[in-house]
Amino acid sequence: QSALTQPASVSGSPGQSITISCTGTSSDIGAYNYVSWYQQHPGKAPKLMIYDVSNRPSGVSNRFSGSKSANTASLTISGLQAEDEADYYCSSYTSSSTYVFGTGTKVTVL
Amino acid sequence: EVQLVQSGAEVKKPGESLRISCKGSGYSFTSYWISWVRQMPGKGLEWLGRIDPSDSYINYSPSFQGHVTISVDKSISTAHLQWSSLEASDTARYYCARHKTGTTDWFDPWGQGTLVTVSS
Repeated sequence: QSALTQPASVSGSPGQSITISCTGTSSDIGAYNYVSWYQQHPGKAPKLMIYDVSNRPSGVSNRFSGSKSANTASLTISGLQAEDEADYYCSSYTSSSTYVFGTGTKVTVL
Repeated sequence: EVQLVQSGAEVKKPGESLRISCKGSGYSFTSYWISWVRQMPGKGLEWLGRIDPSDSYINYSPSFQGHVTISVDKSISTAHLQWSSLEASDTARYYCARHKTGTTDWFDPWGQGTLVTVSS
């Protein structure tokens, strides 16, 4: 199972919106609505930001939103803030009853 | 508060065995899977496998099956990840995460991670 494909880096200025893509196949993202997104600050454990494509856990800012079209999922961060600077990973359930993570995207706030 | 607390950092030699642990608290331990995730230095996240503490059913990633063993002791709400013969390439931080499946699917929260260093 190959990792889901994410851009290595995305940047934006404070207040702007950015979108991170996560591309898989018809055996993972395209087959299930079990895509989740995780934020990881340096030296910290990952934190759940979005689950089941577009649901936000309690306590996560509504500036974070998720969507999916065919084999590609996306995470949008609106009103970018300095604290959003981190690595972001997508994850999907697969038809092999396993899970696969994305390659990771470093978000930089300019 | 729901939390997963992992065992401390380990330094081992190639060929040695190791077992690291992940203790859950603040929730019904047998109602959620526990997944294990590897993060090699400077790299991304990789899913190793998961275990259902209620019946010890295990799912491994094909990439890791045969190299690691996942187990659980539900009497003490603790999951384990073990190696019988470590390799230098096992050097990484290993995370456990509470894993909800069924009509929804997510990993939350995550343990603080256990750093495993394998060096001669």
